[in-house]
Amino acid sequence: DTAVSQTPKYLVTQMGNDKSIKCEQNLGHDTMYWYKQDSKKFLKIMFSYNNKELIINETVPNRFSPKSPDKAHLNLHINSLELGDSAVYFCASSQARVEGTQYFGPGTRLLVL
Amino acid sequence: DQQVKQNSPSLSVQEGRISILNCDYTNSMFDYFLWYKKYPAEGPTFLISISSIKDKNEDGRFTVFLNKSAKHLSLHIVPSQPGDSAVYFCAASDRDDKIIFGKGTRLHILP
Repeated sequence: DTAVSQTPKYLVTQMGNDKSIKCEQNLGHDTMYWYKQDSKKFLKIMFSYNNKELIINETVPNRFSPKSPDKAHLNLHINSLELGDSAVYFCASSQARVEGTQYFGPGTRLLVL
Repeated sequence: DQQVKQNSPSLSVQEGRISILNCDYTNSMFDYFLWYKKYPAEGPTFLISISSIKDKNEDGRFTVFLNKSAKHLSLHIVPSQPGDSAVYFCAASDRDDKIIFGKGTRLHILP
């Protein structure tokens, strides 16, 4: 059973489109995250939700909007996609601050043309 | 600004020898440090962690050392095995639950 799953795995789209990436975790964790791995290979946190409430919101364009319908899901919606949005996006979850351990999904490779 | 730095983009080590991956940080507020391992096309997986109140944590072949005065930590893998070939991310956490990652070091274990 996959602990943290993301769909789709690959996403190729045109500039200006709106797209969503879905994330689900079956670990019963309270906290979920979105990370962006950019072309320089940095993994940067974008958002964190705890029990459906936004707790971390880094400096991310407001074209990115996370949505958490329940604590097992954290979806990422991106409006008006730009070339610079091309990256790998990772979802992760953790049981609050249990040893800081986060479980990551496999990543979604987004390519904006 | 890079708060967590892994200055070696890659490292090659003979199978059976010790692999040492290094990491430096700048923020003295970090109180928890982690190492993640990542295979291609997969998400990072947690490997080992250390609290700032300790200077060493060992788990099987993996040992993490923390030198707070130097703001430096290292991951030792001994003996190195072929399956250890991966990208290793150093990460640091403050009380906000936010984890800051380094750029990663690609480890190649040579036969």
